[in-house]
Amino acid sequence: AQSVAQPEDQVNVAEGNPLTVKCTYSVSGNPYLFWYVQYPNRGLQFLLKYITGDNLVKGSYGFEAEFNKSQTSFHLKKPSALVSDSALYFCAVRLIREAAGNKLTFGGGTRVLVKP
Amino acid sequence: DTGVSQNPRHKITKRGQNVTFRCDPISEHNRLYWYRQTLGQGPEFLTYFQNEAQLEKSRLLSDRFSAERPKGSFSTLEIQRTEQGDSAMYLCASSLVGQVTEAFFGQGTRLTVV
Repeated sequence: AQSVAQPEDQVNVAEGNPLTVKCTYSVSGNPYLFWYVQYPNRGLQFLLKYITGDNLVKGSYGFEAEFNKSQTSFHLKKPSALVSDSALYFCAVRLIREAAGNKLTFGGGTRVLVKP
Repeated sequence: DTGVSQNPRHKITKRGQNVTFRCDPISEHNRLYWYRQTLGQGPEFLTYFQNEAQLEKSRLLSDRFSAERPKGSFSTLEIQRTEQGDSAMYLCASSLVGQVTEAFFGQGTRLTVV
């Protein structure tokens, strides 16, 4: 079984400061990893994904994430947070093996609040 | 708008009634997924289709739930004899097969069972 943990329910940061949202995963195989963001009353919007290759992936709106295989982590980062980054962030994992199915397993989400 | 479309956006129903939701995926996407999201939780996988074939169903999908994708285009999710525990946001997503592409999500249908 695969699982995703987002250890922080909420992250508070001042505008202009670095933002980090933590994610760790557990899978019995090699994973694809994703970050999504959800604004109020909206669906999930894709931010970035890790497939293979460079452990640092860059995504939308200035976000990036670092894949760390030894720590089974995929933390989301942004060097300088904006008030408009305030939202709910979800980390998700999918197994590479197609035979394992194509579903995403999501973490419980982390609410980010960026204060002016 | 060429994104994933879900209807209705909101549904309030009395316990015991049947409800049906519709999802129109991105037109060239052959995979379609249903997820359920309760307040304060991440989305949970319910089922997915590749074209018209339903390839996987979660244990969360009780026998009161049924999903179809008859022509490999839009999909419907029906809940029979709704219970208060069915109150949630039901999200639909679509993607292409054969590539490691991200799934694109609709805005969801919020179901409230009273």
